[in-house]
Order: sequence, then C-alpha cells, then structure tokens
Amino acid sequence: GEDVEQSLFLSVREGDSSVINCTYTDSSSTYLYWYKQEPGAGLQLLTYIFSNMDMKQDQRLTVLLNKKDKHLSLRIADTQTGDSAIYFCAERVDSSYKLIFGSGTRLLVRP
Amino acid sequence: SQTIHQWPATLVQPVGSPLSLECTVEGTSNPNLYWYRQAAGRGLQLLFYSVGIGQISSEVPQNLSASRPQDRQFILSSKKLLLSDSGFYLCAWSARTDQPQHFGDGTRLSIL
Repeated sequence: GEDVEQSLFLSVREGDSSVINCTYTDSSSTYLYWYKQEPGAGLQLLTYIFSNMDMKQDQRLTVLLNKKDKHLSLRIADTQTGDSAIYFCAERVDSSYKLIFGSGTRLLVRP
Repeated sequence: SQTIHQWPATLVQPVGSPLSLECTVEGTSNPNLYWYRQAAGRGLQLLFYSVGIGQISSEVPQNLSASRPQDRQFILSSKKLLLSDSGFYLCAWSARTDQPQHFGDGTRLSIL
C-alpha cells in the first residue's frame, strides 16, 4: 500500500543544520517532493527529486534519496528562524496525478 | 507567472448550511486542478481532481462536490455542511499530471 511517514517534531539552534527524514513504502514512486507550510498558509513547493537521482542540491537545501531503503531526507544548511514551519514529504506513484503526503514535521528553530 | 487564488480565507458556517469555496488560477491555460483537505495536525487528503472543464474525479465518498465551470475556475460545494467538514481546504494546480502541484493559501472552514 501507499504510506509516507515522517517524524513529528524537530528542534534545532539557529545556524545549525536541520535534517528532516521521510520514509515511503511504494517502490513505484517516480517523484518525491518537499513542501513547506507556514502557520495559516498554504503549501510552498521547496524542491523535488526524480526517483532515478540520489541527490539534489538547491542553495541551502539538499535532498538525499536512498531508493533501497525508501528513505528521503531534506537537509537545510545554516537554519534560520524563518525556516520554522511544517515540512511535508510527498510521493507520486507511477505517473499518477495523486500525491501521497506524510503528516508533516514541525521544525522549530531556536535563536 | 502563474498565480492561484482561493477565497474566502476564513469561513464559519452553521451545521446544515450550504458551502461554496472558489479557486482561480491565472497565467496558464488548461491546468490540472485539485481540492485537498487538511485535518488538524495531519497531512493532506485529495478530495477532487480535474483535467478539464466539466471533468471531475472524486477520490473519497463525502458530503462535498466539485465543479469546474471555466478553464481556470474550480469550486468546492456542499448542500448541507456536517461538523466533520471542518478543516483547512487547499486548492492546487499543475501544468500537467506529472508536473509539481502548486497550492493556494487555503480556506479555514469551521462548522458550528
């Protein structure tokens, strides 16, 4: 079946790196996404990775994909207080229109 | 550039009343359109999906319906709201089925 799991909460100090983890169950995943949600707002697409890639870097963001373990991570370098938000991992299975979302990881950045 | 608008941002409705939430997309044509619901502290659940005018696919049985009267307009409706319809409703669009989905700012719906 389709399932995406994330840890609920992560707290880091400003300036440190944050690593948010996600596991998925469907080996037919084609794209994996990271979205950011600030309080009371919609979801902002941060980055995404195609399943034939192992890594993608975009400024402070690094996505690592381990297909064997079905594990996805988002690393935020030099985390700032403005990075405090809920981060959602999502997978697209095959060429489906449907995204399967995790429950989100709340990131708290302490000054 | 493309933009997506949802309104209203917040809505408080009594049980049994009707509902109409509207979503419009600008800067693109023939987008795929989606309605999601986010329950408190949870991920997103896809409610409806549309690939074109008048074409609606429903993902889960429920008290809600969707319509697409124009190319870039997507409406979420109900004839009689239930308490369980409370939540945060998000509209999204994508250029094609295999392209990333982009979300609006959402509507927070509270049912009393």
